[in-house]
Amino acid sequence: SAVISQKPSRDICQRGTSLTIQCQVDSQVTMMFWYRQQPGQSLTLIATANQGSEATYESGFVIDKFPISRPNLTFSTLTVSNMSPEDSSIYLCSVVVIRGKETQYFGPGTRLLVL
Amino acid sequence: GENVEQHPSTLSVQEGDSAVIKCTYSDSASNYFPWYKQELGKGPQLIIDIRSNVGEKKDQRIAVTLNKTAKHFSLHITETQPEDSAVYFCAAIEGGSQGNLIFGKGTKLSVKP
Repeated sequence: SAVISQKPSRDICQRGTSLTIQCQVDSQVTMMFWYRQQPGQSLTLIATANQGSEATYESGFVIDKFPISRPNLTFSTLTVSNMSPEDSSIYLCSVVVIRGKETQYFGPGTRLLVL
Repeated sequence: GENVEQHPSTLSVQEGDSAVIKCTYSDSASNYFPWYKQELGKGPQLIIDIRSNVGEKKDQRIAVTLNKTAKHFSLHITETQPEDSAVYFCAAIEGGSQGNLIFGKGTKLSVKP
């Protein structure tokens, strides 16, 4: 498996501000992703964090709102920009580990409340 | 694209009974079907997964079955315990692309002592 940590674990922010979430993995991984889980809902893929190039965003998510960095194979950041109360969610980092077979794991999540 | 339906949305069982959660998917190209358990305040934890080259997989009290013809897969938990209480999500890979898991809406399982 993979040990994934996220910072911060939770935060309360004012509308109009931005928050950067960090994701650290204990081993090098090729594939790293960011998901959103709105209150009481399921998980939705925001983007694939590509090492050395721009992230690949899913429909409905844009770089200006959710800029992503991936400077190396163990670390990524997701910024939630110009926040509004609708951005209140759990943001989850996820990785695919390849040891013979590909298996996907999730971090503990960052719980964001926007007032 | 892929669509995953999950039933039931809530499930309450007595300790020691079995619990079954069912999912259907739409993309015939999907070949990886993980199940995650999410406890309150935590991230999803992978509990078991199955790939399209097998029909059943078991890990102690947990088993998953896959019917590719019917495009459905199920999670079976036997001898349930109160600590099994959580939200369970099924997922399927969209178009075979790793990382783009399409999730079901979740099942809240309550195991009563």
